[in-house]
Amino acid sequence: DVVMTQSPLSLPVTLGQPASISCRSSQSLVYSDGNTYLSWFQQRPGQSPRRLIYKVSNREFGVPDRFSGSGSGTDFTLQISRVEAEDVGVYYCMQGTHWPTTFGQGTKVEIK
Amino acid sequence: QVQLVQSGAEVKKPGASVKVSCKASGYSFTDYYIHWLRQAPGQGLEWMGWINPKNGGTSFVQKFQGRVTVTKDTSTSTVYMELNRLRSDDTALYYCAQGDSFDYWGQGTLVTVSS
Repeated sequence: DVVMTQSPLSLPVTLGQPASISCRSSQSLVYSDGNTYLSWFQQRPGQSPRRLIYKVSNREFGVPDRFSGSGSGTDFTLQISRVEAEDVGVYYCMQGTHWPTTFGQGTKVEIK
Repeated sequence: QVQLVQSGAEVKKPGASVKVSCKASGYSFTDYYIHWLRQAPGQGLEWMGWINPKNGGTSFVQKFQGRVTVTKDTSTSTVYMELNRLRSDDTALYYCAQGDSFDYWGQGTLVTVSS
């Protein structure tokens, strides 16, 4: 199985400051069709996960533009340009290129 | 609007079985796979597998094969996930999610396995 490794696992951030989460995969996530099936999910406390980003850098409808995704191959990043209070939660990267789908361990974002 | 509504929390003894339902609405039931995932207390997300509501075909990761049965009832747009021979480490919040992009999620069903 493809192992997804996130860092850091805990990320205290000051309101209004940027935040960055890294995700590395044990194999390239480029699929045979040329797409890279790397997604980012947000899970707020007590809620079901919600997909923010798909195929590395595409924001879901309704996701604020302070969230952005980048990367290629095996290295990916989720950035929040200015953290707001509603961004508190756990963020997961997920790969859908290789079977089975696997997730990173999660990064807990909290306000300092 | 698309909704996935799951059945309520369950408490089971080791060795027993549990059946969790996921009722879909707001879209054509047979157009999207339904995926099952779980999250142990304080832990991350684990993908279990999927069912194709069009033909009932399923695919689950090896650790669940032989222990999980997933069925669908097209008349009620409901998918059922039954997990057998429960162990304490099956204690988790079980989610259903729509489509390969996991666009929509159920609210989760807490399954507690305890003697």
